[in-house]
Amino acid sequence: AQSVAQPEDQVNVAEGNPLTVKCTYSVSGNPYLFWYVQYPNRGLQFLLKYITGDNLVKGSYGFEAEFNKSQTSFHLKKPSALVSDSALYFCAVRDDTGRRALTFGSGTRLQVQP
Amino acid sequence: ETGVTQSPTHLIKTRGQQVTLRCSSQSGHNTVSWYQQALGQGPQFIFQYYREEENGRGNFPPRFSGLQFPNYSSELNVNALELDDSALYLCASRGGAGGGETQYFGPGTRLLVL
Repeated sequence: AQSVAQPEDQVNVAEGNPLTVKCTYSVSGNPYLFWYVQYPNRGLQFLLKYITGDNLVKGSYGFEAEFNKSQTSFHLKKPSALVSDSALYFCAVRDDTGRRALTFGSGTRLQVQP
Repeated sequence: ETGVTQSPTHLIKTRGQQVTLRCSSQSGHNTVSWYQQALGQGPQFIFQYYREEENGRGNFPPRFSGLQFPNYSSELNVNALELDDSALYLCASRGGAGGGETQYFGPGTRLLVL
């Protein structure tokens, strides 16, 4: 069965600094990987996905993610953090059974300090 | 914002009662999935509907059931509510031309069971 690990419960970064939110995955077959963001009392907003192609994926709001097959990682990055980026971030992998459901990590809270 | 809508936004029920949550999928999307997000956790897959048939289910008991209608909107029904059913319930839709991989989430329904 597939799984996702987000090793950091919280990441703190100063505004203007680069940020990284870590994610590792386990899945049989080709990985379909996603990042979502959740603001307080809101649903999940799609940021970006990796299905195939370039290992560096660009997404919404200046975010990007680097797919590394050998390390089974899909870390989320942004060159310059904004206070408004403060939110809960979830990494997800598509089900490898054909249901195409998503298995989510436990989430990482990003806190950007002014 | 996605085109996925959910109702109601909040709901309070007592243990043993039944509840129905509703979801309208994004235009053109024919697949609807439901997820349960307990406090402090990532979303967990409940089940998925495609063309009015359930075609995938997570590790949830039969008292969690659903429907999908010809316009692709969906309902989640939970019978015999338990305290642990208190959570944010998220609906997601995907599909359309090419059978898109990205799931787009609604704002959720927050259920409190007393």
